[in-house]
Formats: sequence, C-alpha cells, structure tokens
Amino acid sequence: DTGVSQNPRHKITKRGQNVTFRCDPISEHNRLYWYRQTLGQGPEFLTYFQNEAQLEKSRLLSDRFSAERPKGSFSTLEIQRTEQGDSAMYLCASSLIYIIGTIYFGEGSWLTVV
Amino acid sequence: QQQVKQSPQSLIVQKGGISIINCAYENTAFDYFPWYQQFPGKGPALLIAIRPDVSEKKEGRFTISFNKSAKQFSLHIMDSQPGDSATYFCAAWNSGNTPLVFGKGTRLSVIA
Repeated sequence: DTGVSQNPRHKITKRGQNVTFRCDPISEHNRLYWYRQTLGQGPEFLTYFQNEAQLEKSRLLSDRFSAERPKGSFSTLEIQRTEQGDSAMYLCASSLIYIIGTIYFGEGSWLTVV
Repeated sequence: QQQVKQSPQSLIVQKGGISIINCAYENTAFDYFPWYQQFPGKGPALLIAIRPDVSEKKEGRFTISFNKSAKQFSLHIMDSQPGDSATYFCAAWNSGNTPLVFGKGTRLSVIA
C-alpha cells in the first residue's frame, strides 16, 4: 500500500509528557500537511510543508507544537508538555503541488492525554 | 470564524433514498470545492470535487450542485446504500492560498 502512513496509530500519555507522531507521505508528494480533528468536528489545519520548508502555521499551533520535515520526505509532529485539550486525532496528508486542492489523508494518530 | 458552514449535522435516510448535504461559504476567493468521506477510525478520503465554473458534476451516484451566486454547494447521493453510512465533509480551497478548509461534517446513516 503506497498511501500516507502514520505512526503510532494510538497514543495514550499522561499530562505533561511529550509525544511525537510520524508521517510518511505518498512517494513523490511535495506537500505535506498536518491537521487536527476532534470528535464531531472537521479537520482543522495546523501546518504544511513544501518539500522541507514549513510554509504556513495555524494559530492553533501553539509553542508546544513543533513540526519538521528534515529531508522533504517524512515529517514529525511533536507536542511538548501535553494537555488534556490536546486529545484529538492528528491527521497527516500529502499532495502534489500541481494537483490543485486534492490532498490524500492518512488514517490518523489518535492522542489521548490523561 | 467558520469559513464553510455545513448542514445538517446528522441525516438518516432510507435505503434507496436521496441524501442531500448542504454547504455555504463566504470567501469568493475559494475556487475548488471537494467533498470528503470519512468512515470511523479512518482518515477522510476524497469523494468528488467541483470548480465554480460549472454548476453540476456527477460521478456515479454522487452529484455536486454548485450555485455561485448564492455561494452554496451541495452533495446529493442517489440510491443511498447502507455502505454510504459515514461522515461527509465539504471543503473549500483558494488556489492562491492554503489550506483546505473543512465544514464540521454530516453524519449520514442509511437504514434498510
């Protein structure tokens, strides 16, 4: 399967701990996006990369959140000092620059902060 | 503020019936309008999309109707099946900007 791959799929952590999620996009996709989705809501944009450059960050992305895409391939999203309000599904998506508006999502990484 | 407003929140349709989900937007810079389908525990998957230069697009049982003057678009699912039971999200995109913005979703249940 050559879709967007996310790991881990589920993570339970204690408040205050750090967590890191990894996303492997579809091969050759230049753009990589992170979204957050809570129950009963649509995906909310967090940040996106074009190759290795982080081009935009939402105001939802507080200082405790950091994302990287070091070689323009996989990406990591780290949340430091987790809070209960961080509990959500973190979705990664990827696309080709010239395919307008079509992005492909992974299956998401569920985070539960207890 | 919410850039794309979607209704209804939930919808129950009899098997074989027509499911209709509506979305409205304010930003006239949006120029691409996709619909995504999401099953429990899965990420959203692109279902069908339309550009504002056409009023309707049909793919199989799925049709998008687009009203540019009213800034509204809708998804129609003909001959709805239990396998269509999922959450549907409308979205909008401005090709001069990112990101894709989503509505809050409609949970569709198709009952036999």
